[in-house]
Amino acid sequence: DQQVKQNSPSLSVQEGRISILNCDYTNSMFDYFLWYKKYPAEGPTFLISISSIKDKNEDGRFTVFLNKSAKHLSLHIVPSQPGDSAVYFCAASLYGNNRLAFGKGNQVVVIP
Amino acid sequence: DGGITQSPKYLFRKEGQNVTLSCEQNLNHDAMYWYRQDPGQGLRLIYYSQIVNDFQKGDIAEGYSVSREKKESFPLTVTSAQKNPTAFYLCASRGTQGDGYTFGSGTRLTVV
Repeated sequence: DQQVKQNSPSLSVQEGRISILNCDYTNSMFDYFLWYKKYPAEGPTFLISISSIKDKNEDGRFTVFLNKSAKHLSLHIVPSQPGDSAVYFCAASLYGNNRLAFGKGNQVVVIP
Repeated sequence: DGGITQSPKYLFRKEGQNVTLSCEQNLNHDAMYWYRQDPGQGLRLIYYSQIVNDFQKGDIAEGYSVSREKKESFPLTVTSAQKNPTAFYLCASRGTQGDGYTFGSGTRLTVV
């Protein structure tokens, strides 16, 4: 049973506009959430994270929002750039457990 | 530079043969992981190791084996028992609990 779900597998957005990626989770004990970015034939790279004690974390063009009551987080990219075209994975972990649960990923295409 | 090195980047195997994928890290991380990526499936955990000489099965361990004789190394063997081995394999490591994973660049295995 998948504990981290990413619906809407692909997203196309115009350069300069906002990209919004959504992620839902089922385990209310998750306390740390991460977003990874992946280009084809490469390993994922860490993008941004958020602890369950926060509801927002911002790093440059990337902002992650966490809504614990809804078990939902989102990643906002603004403004979107062509280099942002990639697959984005949402991941979650439990404190004391070294495993991460990954979603299936969202393909983002930024149109110049 | 610290990081994770996976080799080779591309690997071809005949049906019925075992093959070993290499993963080396110089990040002094205790935990290491093997994931498999298939189209539309996201990242699925094969095996992980939290400490030298210890490892646990992930979600799709059948047909795979690992060893962890050194902290720096976590090789994955794809055996002939793995029914559908063609995939992109990713190795990762993790330091402290609050960190995310650091991924290698992956190995594309193709069975011919």
